Amino acid sequence: GQSLEQPSEVTAVEGAIVQINCTYQTSGFYGLSWYQQHDGGAPTFLSYNALDGLEETGRFSSFLSRSDSYGYLLLQELQMKDSASYFCAVRGGYQKVTFGTGTKLQVIP
Amino acid sequence: GAVVSQHPSRVICKSGTSVKIECRSLDFQATTMFWYRQFPKQSLMLMATSNEGSKATYEQGVEKDKFLINHASLTLSTLTVTSAHPEDSSFYICSARGGKSYNEQFFGPGTRLTVL
Repeated sequence: GQSLEQPSEVTAVEGAIVQINCTYQTSGFYGLSWYQQHDGGAPTFLSYNALDGLEETGRFSSFLSRSDSYGYLLLQELQMKDSASYFCAVRGGYQKVTFGTGTKLQVIP
Repeated sequence: GAVVSQHPSRVICKSGTSVKIECRSLDFQATTMFWYRQFPKQSLMLMATSNEGSKATYEQGVEKDKFLINHASLTLSTLTVTSAHPEDSSFYICSARGGKSYNEQFFGPGTRLTVL
């Protein structure tokens, strides 16, 4: 089976940097994705890591360490609109994607 | 970017009725579509994976006779909740994968189902 763990809530100040961690246990692993979801909306794709290392896309970066079964999402220059839930998701065998428990990020002034 | 639509966005129905939700990929061919349900303040739970022209693969604990999935074409998948009950009330979200970005899932806007 697959399981993913994330912190349930994180609070950070506007303009700051925040890191959201994700640890996973999986029987098959092809990659780790990150999604953002605002209340009442659908998830939107942020990033995908298949190999170890850091992927940067604008203010967002994502890191993966396959040997540690660990990844994180880094959000820089936080804006109020970044307040949302963030999910990590593992792509395993048979095209299956399993989502983490989600981290609710609150950005405060 | 790729666009996925869902219809209806909201539906309220009486207990015992059936509800059909459509998921369409508008500007790409979706080789694989996924159906999720999400309860308030919880994560997305994968219900089933469907490939065009073949039977859906259901996750453990999901009743295939209750949640009928049809992936008739590369742009359309439907989820029918049969004999709906109040405990089926949830946010149902589809996603699609295909086109140039194989590693990315494109999510529909979701359908909020309320069963009275």
